[in-house]
Amino acid sequence: DGGITQSPKYLFRKEGQNVTLSCEQNLNHDAMYWYRQDPGQGLRLIYYSQIVNDFQKGDIAEGYSVSREKKESFPLTVTSAQKNPTAFYLCASGMDPYNEQFFGPGTRLTVL
Amino acid sequence: GNSVTQMEGPVTLSEEAFLTINCTYTATGYPSLFWYVQYPGEGLQLLLKATKADDKGSNKGFEATYRKETTSFHLEKGSVQVSDSAVYFCALSDRSNDYKLSFGAGTTVTVRA
Repeated sequence: DGGITQSPKYLFRKEGQNVTLSCEQNLNHDAMYWYRQDPGQGLRLIYYSQIVNDFQKGDIAEGYSVSREKKESFPLTVTSAQKNPTAFYLCASGMDPYNEQFFGPGTRLTVL
Repeated sequence: GNSVTQMEGPVTLSEEAFLTINCTYTATGYPSLFWYVQYPGEGLQLLLKATKADDKGSNKGFEATYRKETTSFHLEKGSVQVSDSAVYFCALSDRSNDYKLSFGAGTTVTVRA
């Protein structure tokens, strides 16, 4: 089955700790994206990558970091510098930037 | 820059009622327009899309027509079911913004039996 997987579904961390969220896709898509969703708000773009070994900041990149070493994988690290990290994080991929994006099931991060 | 404005929710309907969710946009060029749906606790799923003026996207009984003259992409369904309860997002992508998706705030729809 082709798709996007994110793990874990729920994640709890103590304040001050870095945490890495996993995103894997087997759709052979070149483009991958990370979004943050807060209650009652639309999605905000954190980082995106249109090709392996290259990525760009989105609208709210501060306090986050990514890597794109493989086409299938685009992990997101939420660092201790992120002031308000508790949120629902969504990963997406697309064949190319011009067409629709396909979303994973999301990871809900709670920082205690 | 690009922006998407959706009607505010929440919207509560009875089963078999008619649903309309208004969406208007601002874009520099000629964007592609999308409706995504998010069921509770899940990621987003593409519901329908339209890539040029007067195109009509349709799926699962939902329809939306790309209206360039009114910069709108309103979502409609003639007879909703309880299973249509979800959050609906209007979005656009445009060359001027490197084809990144710009989302509306989302509209929560609850359908009661």
